[in-house]
Amino acid sequence: DAMVIQNPRYQVTQFGKPVTLSCSQTLNHNVMYWYQQKSSQAPKLLFHYYDKDFNNEADTPDNFQSRRPNTSFCFLDIRSPGLGDAAMYLCATSPGDTDTQYFGPGTRLTVL
Amino acid sequence: DQQVKQNSPSLSVQEGRISILNCDYTNSMFDYFLWYKKYPAEGPTFLISISSIKDKNEDGRFTVFLNKSAKHLSLHIVPSQPGDSAVYFCAARKRAGSYQLTFGKGTKLSVIP
Repeated sequence: DAMVIQNPRYQVTQFGKPVTLSCSQTLNHNVMYWYQQKSSQAPKLLFHYYDKDFNNEADTPDNFQSRRPNTSFCFLDIRSPGLGDAAMYLCATSPGDTDTQYFGPGTRLTVL
Repeated sequence: DQQVKQNSPSLSVQEGRISILNCDYTNSMFDYFLWYKKYPAEGPTFLISISSIKDKNEDGRFTVFLNKSAKHLSLHIVPSQPGDSAVYFCAARKRAGSYQLTFGKGTKLSVIP
């Protein structure tokens, strides 16, 4: 089945220790997104790629970076995680010509 | 500033009855609206959408109504089933060609058998 896959599902890191979250897709979609969702909050868009074009949201902290080495994979790098970065991180994709976004199961990040 | 609001954090409905989930928005530039359903430990799943040129869209048991003048939309589920128990997110897009979706905080629906 075509899908959006996120690894790992649960990630524990230490305060200040860099961490990378992974997303892959078999849908061959042009657009990939990263969202942050804190408890009882709405998912918040951090950035997205249209093909190789990177689009950062204005209020995304510099601590968050992203890479998209090819169509299938997209990574979220948190350079120096703080306690406030503990959240669910959702990856999504869309074909680019519709507005429906398809989400992965998310990675829950814990910062100790 | 929360541009998409789901004012009811939770809703309980008896199986077989109608579930009505509400969503309000403040930005008149929003022109496309979506509902997503999320089960625990899974990502949100697209459910149904509506363009601002319409006031109703129906898909099986799910109907979305849009009242542009009131900046209000609602999702109706008839009849409600226990498998519908999930968190429902309302989302809105600002303009054609924009990829940004603005989400509400979600409403947790519990359908009681």
